[in-house]
Amino acid sequence: KQEVTQIPAALSVPEGENLVLNCSFTDSAIYNLQWFRQDPGKGLTSLLLIQSSQREQTSGRLNASLDKSSGRSTLYIAASQPGDSATYLCAVPIIIQGAQKLVFGQGTRLTINP
Amino acid sequence: ETGVTQSPTHLIKTRGQQVTLRCSSQSGHNTVSWYQQALGQGPQFIFQYYREEENGRGNFPPRFSGLQFPNYSSELNVNALELDDSALYLCASSLWRGGENEQFFGPGTRLTVL
Repeated sequence: KQEVTQIPAALSVPEGENLVLNCSFTDSAIYNLQWFRQDPGKGLTSLLLIQSSQREQTSGRLNASLDKSSGRSTLYIAASQPGDSATYLCAVPIIIQGAQKLVFGQGTRLTINP
Repeated sequence: ETGVTQSPTHLIKTRGQQVTLRCSSQSGHNTVSWYQQALGQGPQFIFQYYREEENGRGNFPPRFSGLQFPNYSSELNVNALELDDSALYLCASSLWRGGENEQFFGPGTRLTVL
């Protein structure tokens, strides 16, 4: 059974710092791993999707890495800004009964202090 | 290209009532998945619809049911509402091509059960 864990549950840092969010998964046989951003009470915005054959993906100030053998992914945010404050979720897809479902971690609530 | 839309945005119901939530999939997508997200938790998979048939379900009771229409839009119906059904309900659409497929999320419907 695939389980996804995100540590820490909450993180507060001053503006301008570089930071790393962690995601771990128990079954290394994954198709891909996706990082999402969620603002309070809102839907999910996809940030980065890393295919199982890739080791990292970059978008602007965001860089996500994937190490399947250790069951870990990290999301690196450079030069953090108050607008980066949100909850960050990672998810991996599994196939059940012919359907693809995403298994999510519980998220890391990030606060960037001006 | 039109993204995933959901209606209504917010809904308040009382225990025992029934509710219908609606989702319009992104243009070109043929698969819709529904997720329930309780406060402070990651989204949990409810079920997925492909070609108007349910093709996978998570650990949710039968009072959670759905429909998919020929235009690939979808409804989530919940009967005999319970207090614990209070959550953000997220719809995601994707283009089924076998294997894993990237899912795109709507803004969600916030359901409060009193």
